[in-house]
Formats: sequence, C-alpha cells, structure tokens
Amino acid sequence: DAGITQSPRHKVTETGTPVTLRCHQTENHRYMYWYRQDPGHGLRLIHYSYGVKDTDKGEVSDGYSVSRSKTEDFLLTLESATSSQTSVYFCAIGGDQPQHFGDGTRLSIL
Amino acid sequence: QKEVEQNSGPLSVPEGAIASLNCTYSDRGSQSFFWYRQYSGKSPELIMFIYSNGDKEDGRFTAQLNKASQYVSLLIRDSQPSDSATYLCAVRKGGKLIFGQGTELSVKP
Repeated sequence: DAGITQSPRHKVTETGTPVTLRCHQTENHRYMYWYRQDPGHGLRLIHYSYGVKDTDKGEVSDGYSVSRSKTEDFLLTLESATSSQTSVYFCAIGGDQPQHFGDGTRLSIL
Repeated sequence: QKEVEQNSGPLSVPEGAIASLNCTYSDRGSQSFFWYRQYSGKSPELIMFIYSNGDKEDGRFTAQLNKASQYVSLLIRDSQPSDSATYLCAVRKGGKLIFGQGTELSVKP
C-alpha cells in the first residue's frame, strides 16, 4: 500500500450543495494532486500542492478550491456542486510527478 | 489539437504477441514522458518513465521516445491476459503532467 487514503469513496449529493473530498497520506510526500477522470478525457489535473499552504491550479480548476494545512492532508472543495462535476476523483502523491494514486472517490451530483 | 493524443482503442492482441501502444504530443519542449496502467475500476499505477531519446527497457516493457517526431510508445512483449487494461500516456508540461485519454488493451488467450 502506498499510504494514501481518499474519503469518502462514494458520495451522492444535490446540485448547489458544498462538497469536500479528503486525501490523506502517510508517506510524507511533498507533492499532492487532485485529478478527475471522465470517459473520453483521461485524467485531468484540477489542483496540486507542492507544500503546506502552497497550491496551484491545473487544467480544470474552475469551480474547485483546495487547501493543505498539513503535509498529510489535501482537501478538495466544490463550493456549489454542479452536475458537470459528476466524476471519479483521484488523489495522487509523489515527487514532481504523481507516483501513487488513491482508490478514487465516485461523486454523483443530481 | 489535444496536447497528448492516444488512440482510444480497443487494441486487441493474442496472448504472447507484442502489444504496441502509441502516443503523440504537441509541445516540442516536453522533457519527461510517463506510462500508467489502469485496470477497470481501479486507480492508475506508474509503470514506466523516459526522459531521453531511444529505448528504455524494464522486464517485458519497453518505452520508446522520439522527440523529433514528438512520439512516445510502449511495447509489451509476450502479452498476457493480465496486461488487459487501459494505458495512459502522460507528458510533463511545466510543473504538471498532461494525460492522454488512454488506450484500452485487450489480450486474448
């Protein structure tokens, strides 16, 4: 096990509600990443972090925010969920490229 | 044009054959290239990376890079049914990895 845990694993919620996904690592990696995966699009980077309180945007950051107050935790927040954010979300840890991925969170927004 | 392009497949090969997976990229300045494998319903796992022109071998896997043609490939020798998965190509652009949409490989017994 790479020491990376995502929670929750599944979530169903309604449009307009806030949603927070958590990624927890026990590997002390500097870099943490959030991706979404949709059919026909592969993996798309939402946000990433290169240290505590250091984050940057990815390809598809609109509608998402992140926070990293501790090395081990990286939170992804959908401030007001929309149906277009229905997806599978993966957290990853590593050096300057993602090396290990979490098991994913399947998020459905109705 | 997508920054990283892969044929979505499915690519079907018989057991024991060589599977060839291809990827092209648009940014000529890209320096680092990665292959991930993803089984259905599972998370991706890093299997190969290559930085220099030429071939890099690791067991049954060989990554090939041709920067002049902006082309990177993954060869799987002696393909096994357990190799059936989606293979994702990724290219570093700045501080970020850009992924292709993946190629589904099916190895038939």
